[in-house]
Parts: sequence; structure tokens; C-alpha cells
Amino acid sequence: EPEVTQTPSHQVTQMGQEVILRCVPISNHLYFYWYRQILGQKVEFLVSFYNNEISEKSEIFDDQFSVERPDGSNFTLKIRSTKLEDSAMYFCASNWDKGFSGANVLTFGAGSRLTVL
Amino acid sequence: GENVEQHPSTLSVQEGDSAVIKCTYSDSASNYFPWYKQELGKRPQLIIDIRSNVGEKKDQRIAVTLNKTAKHFSLHITETQPEDSAVYFCAASPRGGSQGNLIFGKGTKLSVKP
Repeated sequence: EPEVTQTPSHQVTQMGQEVILRCVPISNHLYFYWYRQILGQKVEFLVSFYNNEISEKSEIFDDQFSVERPDGSNFTLKIRSTKLEDSAMYFCASNWDKGFSGANVLTFGAGSRLTVL
Repeated sequence: GENVEQHPSTLSVQEGDSAVIKCTYSDSASNYFPWYKQELGKRPQLIIDIRSNVGEKKDQRIAVTLNKTAKHFSLHITETQPEDSAVYFCAASPRGGSQGNLIFGKGTKLSVKP
């Protein structure tokens, strides 16, 4: 079964450092997403990306965050200057279409745990 | 924006009993409501979903009901098994958003005791 893959699985960084989290969405998917989950809390939408541009973003996704599709397979989330409160699990997800058809399941990756010290 | 409330936050049942988790949403234009199961340290996985043109959907031991008028939807698990123990999240796709833009509830930790 196709999977969304994420690297690294865990990253520890110092406050103020830049972090890049990487994702390889499922190959025929066109829509890509980043979510985050602070430990013990709910999953929160950050941003969606289609056709090489952001299509939607939440209030959490401020100027410290950026996303990029640098090549045909990778989708990255960059945090420019990490803060303590950025510590969370970051999930990448993808699906193939914006619409609501039955087969258009949002598939999550295994997550990248970010710890900011 | 959309707000999703989920209750209860924890639920403990005996194996074989039924479990019901309820969610309410605020945006009447939301039209897609998935439920995700998340085991400890793992990714959320879709277990069932429902669209606003349907009132009920069932898949083996799992069912979801939707009341658009009241803006609430519920997950029903029958004949619970220990492997059903996990955190369950409801979600809603808000007005104008894509199916992947989801607002999640805070989750329900379900414990099924053998």
C-alpha cells in the first residue's frame, strides 16, 4: 500500500535554529498538507499546497513557517527560527483531489517529532 | 471559523460493550466529517467518514450518524475489542475547504477492558 514518508522521525534543535522537515507524498497525489500535534493535544491544520503554491493556511502558519516542493517528490516544511512552543509532532499528509469523492482519503505520514530546547 | 467539540475526553468500556463518541461543529457549511483512530505514537488513520448528504453510514462494527440540523455527528463502535483502545478524533472540513483541510476535535481516549 502506498505510504507518505517523512524524515527525520525525530529532531532535537536549539531555540532560534532553523529546521526543515521533509515529506514524500504518495506519488499520484496532488494535494499536500502539514499538520501538527502538540503532545497530548489535538491534530491542528497548518497548510495545504497544490500546484506549487499554498492553497490554504491556518493562523498557526505565520511568517516563521514556509513550505516548498523543491523537486518532483519532496515536500518540505521549514521553521525559520524555532521557539519552545514549536515542539510537536508534525504530520505530512496527501490526497489526490480537492473534492469529496469516496476514494479521496487523506493519508498521513508517520510524523516527525520536533523537540526545541 | 469552524470549531469542533468532542465528548467525552475519556471513555472506558468492557470488552463487548458499545462505545459512543459525540462531536458538534459550528459551521453549517461544513460537509465532510471523518473519524480518525490514533494509537499511541502513531499516525492518525481514517476509520470511517460521512458526507452531509448522508445521515448514517456503517462499516462492520463501526457506524457514524450525522444530524445536520443539530450540527452534530457521532461514532458508534459495537462489540468493542481490546484492540479498539486508542484515541479517536472527529473532524470537519470547513466552508470552501478541500477534503484535506480538516478541523479536529480534541480527541477521545477509549480504553476497552478485557
